[in-house]
This record gives sequence, C-alpha cells and structure tokens, in this order.
Amino acid sequence: DQQVKQNSPSLSVQEGRISILNCDYTNSMFDYFLWYKKYPAEGPTFLISISSIKDKNEDGRFTVFLNKSAKHLSLHIVPSQPGDSAVYFCAAAEGGKLIFGQGTELSVKP
Amino acid sequence: DGGITQSPKYLFRKEGQNVTLSCEQNLNHDAMYWYRQDPGQGLRLIYYSQIVNDFQKGDIAEGYSVSREKKESFPLTVTSAQKNPTAFYLCASSIMTTAKNIQYFGAGTRLSVL
Repeated sequence: DQQVKQNSPSLSVQEGRISILNCDYTNSMFDYFLWYKKYPAEGPTFLISISSIKDKNEDGRFTVFLNKSAKHLSLHIVPSQPGDSAVYFCAAAEGGKLIFGQGTELSVKP
Repeated sequence: DGGITQSPKYLFRKEGQNVTLSCEQNLNHDAMYWYRQDPGQGLRLIYYSQIVNDFQKGDIAEGYSVSREKKESFPLTVTSAQKNPTAFYLCASSIMTTAKNIQYFGAGTRLSVL
C-alpha cells in the first residue's frame, strides 16, 4: 500500500510557463515533506522541503504548497527552464526514514 | 570535496554469486541508507543505519545484507537469495535521523545479472 503517491508519471510544459507537480499522501502523521530532483543515471538531489506546520515554502523559482486537510502537496516551478527537465520525487519523513513517491518526469520544451 | 561515493558505477552478477556495493561518505553524517530504484518506481528502502554497528531493515531487506563497522562506510551485499537483483542502487546519508532528515545521495550503482 503506497503511502506517498505521484499520480502523474510525466508532465510537459513550455519554457517560461509554470510547472506544477503533485503529490498525495495517506498518513496524517507525516510531519515533514521533501522534493528531490533526479537526472538519469545520477542520484537525487534535494530541492526544497516543508514542515507540516506551514502551508507554503518558497526558494527562488521553486515553491512548495501543503494542504494538510487534503493530504496533498505540490511543487510549483516558475518560470520553467529546459534545465529543469528531470524526474521529481516527493518524499515524506517518518521517524528516521523517507518514503518516496513514484516520481514525475518533467519535460520543459524550448 | 565532501560527498558520497558509490562504486562501482556498473556491476554484473552471475547466477548464485554474492556481490558487494561500496558506499563511502566524508560528510561526517551519522545515518546512512540504501535504496533500490526500478524503472517507473520510486526509491524503496533496503536497509538503514543510524549509528556505527547498528542497522535496521527497510521495506525490501530480503536477499540483502549490510554492515556498519565505520561511520563513513556502509557496504551493501546483494546475496544469491535476491532473485531479481537487476536495479539501480542508491546510497544516501544524513546528519541524523530527525524529522527533517534531508538525505544526500551518491551517484548510484547499476547492477545487472549476466
């Protein structure tokens, strides 16, 4: 039973537009959420995180929104750039572990 | 340069053979982790260690073994009991297993079966 789900395997957007990546979770006890970015044949790199006591965290072009009542978080990238093309994973912290979603492959077209 | 080094980058296993994947970190992190990634799937936790000489099973530990004799090293052995070992293996580390738990990853090892 998957506790963290990314229901869109892929997303394609035009350069300069907004990219919105979504993530749903089932466990209301999760208290910290993270987004990672991964290029092929490389390890994931940490992008941005949010505590469950907040509903928004912003870092440059990246903003993460958390809706606890809906058990939903999203990552907004504005403006999108071709270098943003990668697989994005959301993860939830549970004790000493991270539980990852399946990933969404973002393609930003020039 | 501080970071996590995984070796080798590519590894081939013969039937019935045990193979060991190396993971070394010089970040002085307490916690280390091993994940497996299969195509179209997220990262699944194999084993993790919060402190030297201690480790816990993750969600898919069967067919794998680990050791943590030194803080900077967390090798993973894929045993012959693991019937489907072909995957991309990722090692990670973090300062401590707190709620924030920002994990930093190595570049991965791709294991294939001959």
